[in-house]
Amino acid sequence: DTEVTQTPKHLVMGMTNKKSLKCEQHMGHRAMYWYKQKAKKPPELMFVYSYEKLSINESVPSRFSPECPNSSLLNLHLHALQPEDSALYLCASSQGGGHLKSTDTQYFGPGTRLTVL
Amino acid sequence: AQSVTQLGSHVSVSEGALVLLRCNYSSSVPPYLFWYVQYPNQGLQLLLKYTSAATLVKGINGFEAEFKKSETSFHLTKPSAHMSDAAEYFCAVSANDMRFGAGTRLTVKP
Repeated sequence: DTEVTQTPKHLVMGMTNKKSLKCEQHMGHRAMYWYKQKAKKPPELMFVYSYEKLSINESVPSRFSPECPNSSLLNLHLHALQPEDSALYLCASSQGGGHLKSTDTQYFGPGTRLTVL
Repeated sequence: AQSVTQLGSHVSVSEGALVLLRCNYSSSVPPYLFWYVQYPNQGLQLLLKYTSAATLVKGINGFEAEFKKSETSFHLTKPSAHMSDAAEYFCAVSANDMRFGAGTRLTVKP
């Protein structure tokens, strides 16, 4: 099973709302990632978790708060977002110890389409 | 630091024609290279990857890519395009971290 699942598929929220995105994998992967993808652009890395510890934070604003409750789950908590945060949020996982294992294939979920009003 | 450049943001071919998507990389260390495909409103799916074994890499859906160190290239090809190949294609380089190219949108005309 090479599936990464993400919920919800679509999310519309106001700027004062608090919401969470969820990602799950059952491949035994030890690294998990959050990416943001704007329309017609490549994915931009936001966070990397390695063995359930945050290992990379690409200077993401604090209104985005990641959480890795266990090795299979990754959450992204959203609070006080701006309209420019509207994008496709992709979760990925890879087998090795994290982003430094260059040969590892990253397996992507289908994404959550977020719209901030 | 490493980077990739995808030549052509949009490529259009006729069904049955050769597909050629270009990717050039820059890396100060031996790179690992990937091609991903993204269908509309979906995540990215790995097509193939180069990890310093064979320079000609075969992937899924009939795609292949050849690593050419002298040209710092990793172009993606498919002998005969199918309508279902229409998608966005991303080249990525991984050395110290993973960097994606800007993407190439492939259109297949009937």
